[in-house]
Amino acid sequence: GIQVEQSPPDLILQEGANSTLRCNFSDSVNNLQWFHQNPWGQLINLFYIPSGTKQNGRLSATTVATERYSLLYISSSQTTDSGVYFCAVVPSYNTDKLIFGTGTRLQVFP
Amino acid sequence: NAGVTQTPKFQVLKTGQSMTLQCAQDMNHNSMYWYRQDPGMGLRLIYYSASEGTTDKGEVPNGYNVSRLNKREFSLRLESAAPSQTSVYFCASSEKGGYNSPLHFGNGTRLTVT
Repeated sequence: GIQVEQSPPDLILQEGANSTLRCNFSDSVNNLQWFHQNPWGQLINLFYIPSGTKQNGRLSATTVATERYSLLYISSSQTTDSGVYFCAVVPSYNTDKLIFGTGTRLQVFP
Repeated sequence: NAGVTQTPKFQVLKTGQSMTLQCAQDMNHNSMYWYRQDPGMGLRLIYYSASEGTTDKGEVPNGYNVSRLNKREFSLRLESAAPSQTSVYFCASSEKGGYNSPLHFGNGTRLTVT
């Protein structure tokens, strides 16, 4: 089946720093989503982004489906950005499945 | 809008007891899902309902049953709880089936089975 790998696995930042999280997938996908799980366990949908670039405040995401990766940019990070970031993909060979990536754990310190 | 609401937030059961986890969404979404999240295992789909009146098994359906009561509500029932069902359970919904629209999660139910 499809492999969805995220990098880096862990990231520690000081408040105000910028970061780029990467999601690589091993097969073609129909669509892709990014989620943030905060330290209280809540899962928030950040982007639904099958292709192209989207921005929402300090966050933006780019998916290049033909090259099998997506990037999540966090600018001017804040402590509230801490948590785990997941990408999730729907493989083209089975559109009933949503496959979650391995996650990137981000810690932002003041 | 409340989004996706799950009850209860926490629950402790003894082995063999039964319970129902409730989920309701107010976004007029067609599809609803139940996931469990375990350390090292990630999120795994238990059951889903592509539209009102339909339900289908996901990756780990054994030991669970579901009911799509109406378009808003999707409940998950544990008939005879086992320690292996200790987990955090998330309900989710999306406007379209097939994950062709954003997936929105509830805040989760932390279940412990002793």
